[in-house]
Amino acid sequence: EIQLVESGGGLVQPGGSLKLSCAHSSLSGTSDYISWVRRAPGKGLEWVSVLYTPGSTYYADSVQGRFTISRDRSRTIVFLQMTSLRAEDTAVYYCARLAIGYYFDYWGPGTLVTVSS
Amino acid sequence: QSALTQPASVSGSPGQSITISCTGTSGYVGSSDLVSWYQHHPGEAPKLLIYEVTKRPSGVSNRFSGSKSGSTASLTISGLQAEDESDYFCCSYTGDSTLIFGGGTKVTVL
Repeated sequence: EIQLVESGGGLVQPGGSLKLSCAHSSLSGTSDYISWVRRAPGKGLEWVSVLYTPGSTYYADSVQGRFTISRDRSRTIVFLQMTSLRAEDTAVYYCARLAIGYYFDYWGPGTLVTVSS
Repeated sequence: QSALTQPASVSGSPGQSITISCTGTSGYVGSSDLVSWYQHHPGEAPKLLIYEVTKRPSGVSNRFSGSKSGSTASLTISGLQAEDESDYFCCSYTGDSTLIFGGGTKVTVL
């Protein structure tokens, strides 16, 4: 069973930074594609970012230039570095495994990020 | 505004069938079969219900089924149960290595 667990959420002021982590165990080794998805209060799910391989990263327009996805050397932790945070970034952030057919088959329980002064 | 349009809400009585539509623009949905559906109770992890338009993962009830016609994908819930009351989202691969979710549909069991 693949498991993902997010951490690093919390309260941050507008303009501040926060780094989320997604620890994942994988049956297929370290080649899993990991994505971040968020859900803001009263809103729907929003795809945020995906890491295919180091150097192959993509972002939603709403976070492009402010968020950076990366992976640690052990390749079992994926990070989401968030900078220049805005109130509208307030959401529960989920990491999820992106399967070959471009669907999310495993999800973490989520971590809450609140951007407020 | 999402490029995948879902109705904001759908309701039905226990035992009935309901269908949630997901209409794509900009070639989403219509140009590929890489559409998936998720059930999400806020506060919990989203759950994969359908992938590649019609495929159901192991462990998902066969009361959930997916289909597609043109630029509209659909999720049908048969034999509606109280536990099905939740938010449902479609998701499509965009063709340029990114993904997009629909706006979501709140399902109410009357």
